Amino acid sequence: KNEVEQSPQNLTAQEGEFITINCSYSVGISALHWLQQHPGGGIVSLFMLSSGKKKHGRLIATINIQEKHSSLHITASHPRDSAVYICAANFGNEKLTFGTGTRLTIIP
Amino acid sequence: DGGITQSPKYLFRKEGQNVTLSCEQNLNHDAMYWYRQDPGQGLRLIYYSQIVNDFQKGDIAEGYSVSREKKESFPLTVTSAQKNPTAFYLCASGFRPGLNQPQHFGDGTRLSIL
Repeated sequence: KNEVEQSPQNLTAQEGEFITINCSYSVGISALHWLQQHPGGGIVSLFMLSSGKKKHGRLIATINIQEKHSSLHITASHPRDSAVYICAANFGNEKLTFGTGTRLTIIP
Repeated sequence: DGGITQSPKYLFRKEGQNVTLSCEQNLNHDAMYWYRQDPGQGLRLIYYSQIVNDFQKGDIAEGYSVSREKKESFPLTVTSAQKNPTAFYLCASGFRPGLNQPQHFGDGTRLSIL
């Protein structure tokens, strides 16, 4: 069965802290996506990766194919990073399977 | 700027009523998708369309219907057969179905029952 699990469900941190959100999946995938959902509900695609590591500003996404695991890191976290972060996977087709999300709150 | 527009932002449905959620994109994407989001659950696929005049059921299609008469538009109708329609609905689009491509999402429509 194609499954995606995220941890933690909720994460609260102080401004400036280094943040890590984890995602694991059940079987081989063709691509792994990280998405950000704003408080209003709109979703933005942050990364799509199938191997290695990608970086955009203070955000870094990594994936370990052998361990079926991906992480999203945020350096020097800021209150504006507060959002729900969602991991999603392509299990060999165009459809995405989504994790339940990690609600991140950064306290000033 | 290109993007996906969903309307309305909030929608209320009376018992026995059908309601239609609008989704328009000007990104020239071939594929379009409708997802439902419930608290504590991941997004679930309702319907998707890979080309005009063609669409397929997703994982939770019962009680919903769609059409794809134009490339830019993919409206979703929540019928009276959907007994638990209260949820947040998201529309998405992407290039070239069948390949790994990022999906672009709208801002969503929140549907509630009166």
